[in-house]
Amino acid sequence: DVKVTQSSRYLVKRTGEKVFLECVQDMDHENMFWYRQDPGLGLRLIYFSYDVKMKEKGDIPEGYSVSREKKERFSLILESASTNQTSMYLCASTLGQRIADTQYFGPGTRLTVL
Amino acid sequence: GENVEQHPSTLSVQEGDSAVIKCTYSDSASNYFPWYKQELGKGPQLIIDIRSNVGEKKDQRIAVTLNKTAKHFSLHITETQPEDSAVYFCAATVFRDNYGQNFVFGPGTRLSVLP
Repeated sequence: DVKVTQSSRYLVKRTGEKVFLECVQDMDHENMFWYRQDPGLGLRLIYFSYDVKMKEKGDIPEGYSVSREKKERFSLILESASTNQTSMYLCASTLGQRIADTQYFGPGTRLTVL
Repeated sequence: GENVEQHPSTLSVQEGDSAVIKCTYSDSASNYFPWYKQELGKGPQLIIDIRSNVGEKKDQRIAVTLNKTAKHFSLHITETQPEDSAVYFCAATVFRDNYGQNFVFGPGTRLSVLP
């Protein structure tokens, strides 16, 4: 079974702090994604990556950056956390680049910024 | 860009009854439509999907129908059970330049199955 793990289930940070959210998948998937989930808004794409060292902006990239140094790991970075970034963050991966494929999600990280 | 609407936002049914959730999409190029179930404290999990060359797909108590002309697709759950209680998300794929397909999600439906 595909497994997508996220480094923390719950995280509390202060405004202005730098925050790292880590995601690891164990099935050699090419594609990895970061979403945030807010009530009534569904899942919104922040950034995605189709290869190592490659990143592309999603629909709401402002205030975030990402890093993909290894194929299995995709990190989301909040350079200076703000209260409006309090949310549930979900990482996902899919197998191949040009085929519509199942997304496998991690359990999520609930981030609170005070 | 693609926009996916989902209705209803909440749905309560009696155990054993059927539940139907409907989604509409805007991009006629979309060709893959998955449904995800999210239980409390967990990430979304795929429960069924349908591709644009198929009008209906069934897996035990779950079925999905697709009307490409009207740009809508629906999830049908029959003989609902308490463990079906969860948030359900629909999604449609969109092409992003040269990077293949990404997903646009609906806002979700909270289904409660009452014993």
